[in-house]
Amino acid sequence: DVKVTQSSRYLVKRTGEKVFLECVQDMDHENMFWYRQDPGLGLRLIYFSYDVKMKEKGDIPEGYSVSREKKERFSLILESASTNQTSMYLCASRVWANYGYTFGSGTRLTVV
Amino acid sequence: AQTVTQSQPEMSVQEAETVTLSCTYDTSESDYYLFWYKQPPSRQMILVIRQEAYKQQNATENRFSVNFQKAAKSFSLKISDSQLGDAAMYFCGLNRDDKIIFGKGTRLHILP
Repeated sequence: DVKVTQSSRYLVKRTGEKVFLECVQDMDHENMFWYRQDPGLGLRLIYFSYDVKMKEKGDIPEGYSVSREKKERFSLILESASTNQTSMYLCASRVWANYGYTFGSGTRLTVV
Repeated sequence: AQTVTQSQPEMSVQEAETVTLSCTYDTSESDYYLFWYKQPPSRQMILVIRQEAYKQQNATENRFSVNFQKAAKSFSLKISDSQLGDAAMYFCGLNRDDKIIFGKGTRLHILP
């Protein structure tokens, strides 16, 4: 079975910390995505990447950055975590544009 | 701008009955893809069904089918013979420009 793996299911961090959320896919997919999911707001796109070392801003990139040094790994970085970044973070990948995503199982991040 | 609207934040259906989840969208394109995703309590997002806009025929996957009305920009999901395992959040998504825009979701409860 194809897989998208997010390194942590639950994470608690302190305000001001630098936080790394890791996502790895084993399907040789070109495209990778980071969304955050909040009640009543659905899924909102933070950043995405079409290929290694490429990145594009989504709808809510402020306070986040990303890194894609290898095709299979796409990291989301919170430069200085704040309480309003407490959320569920979902990573996804897909082989090309018109296919659906394969999602990871999510990381629930709490910033205290 | 592109939007996806799910007008029903929550719905309930009796086990073995049929339920329809609504989704409307806005796009100026003629060729695009639409998706329904299911997110059970396990948090794993699962692709339920995919529809290509240029295809007239409504997509079907076992008990799941869609009513795609292109002119009305409507893409509803029908679940037949509802089962307890269908209880989940359901997200409608519109694909354009290599990324999926999601609605805010509908939480479906199955009543035994």
